[in-house]
Amino acid sequence: GNSVTQMEGPVTLSEEAFLTINCTYTATGYPSLFWYVQYPGEGLQLLLKATKADDKGSNKGFEATYRKETTSFHLEKGSVQVSDSAVYFCALALSGYSTLTFGKGTMLLVSP
Amino acid sequence: SAVISQKPSRDICQRGTSLTIQCQVDSQVTMMFWYRQQPGQSLTLIATANQGSEATYESGFVIDKFPISRPNLTFSTLTVSNMSPEDSSIYLCSVEDGLRSSTHFGPGTRLLVL
Repeated sequence: GNSVTQMEGPVTLSEEAFLTINCTYTATGYPSLFWYVQYPGEGLQLLLKATKADDKGSNKGFEATYRKETTSFHLEKGSVQVSDSAVYFCALALSGYSTLTFGKGTMLLVSP
Repeated sequence: SAVISQKPSRDICQRGTSLTIQCQVDSQVTMMFWYRQQPGQSLTLIATANQGSEATYESGFVIDKFPISRPNLTFSTLTVSNMSPEDSSIYLCSVEDGLRSSTHFGPGTRLLVL
């Protein structure tokens, strides 16, 4: 079956630190990959996506590269801000299907 | 992207009662989905709401417990029936975008069952 595995949190960083949140997947077929973010008390927002191998998704300073050889889609940001504190979810969707399989989420806490 | 609204935004309910959650989209969409996010957990797909036909449920979810309506291309409802404390979750409606390249979520309905 399809699954997404994320590193467990919380990830605690100081402002301006470098962020990596690991995400690996297993899938039958060729999935599209996504990162969603959930700020405290809010709904889920699409952060970035990649639809094929070697694609790089980017948004708001965050980046993730679709690595087929390692079945990974790690989220990175060069300099985090306090406002980045949220829960980050990695997810996949199989080509032609709209339903998403989510990882368990990783909480990021950024202190001043 | 589509603007999605949900009602109610939150509710506190007694066990044994039912709650109907509404999802409204500002544009016509083919596919609408209902997810559940239990406390501290990830999101799990409940069902796909199909316009003009019955919803398609995922393993572990049944129509008697989570009846869904989809009367048109901009609206859907999810009912949580005969609630128990284990149903306390955030329930989210989602739609795929016009290019079918990504999924967008509503703000969620936070349900607490006592």
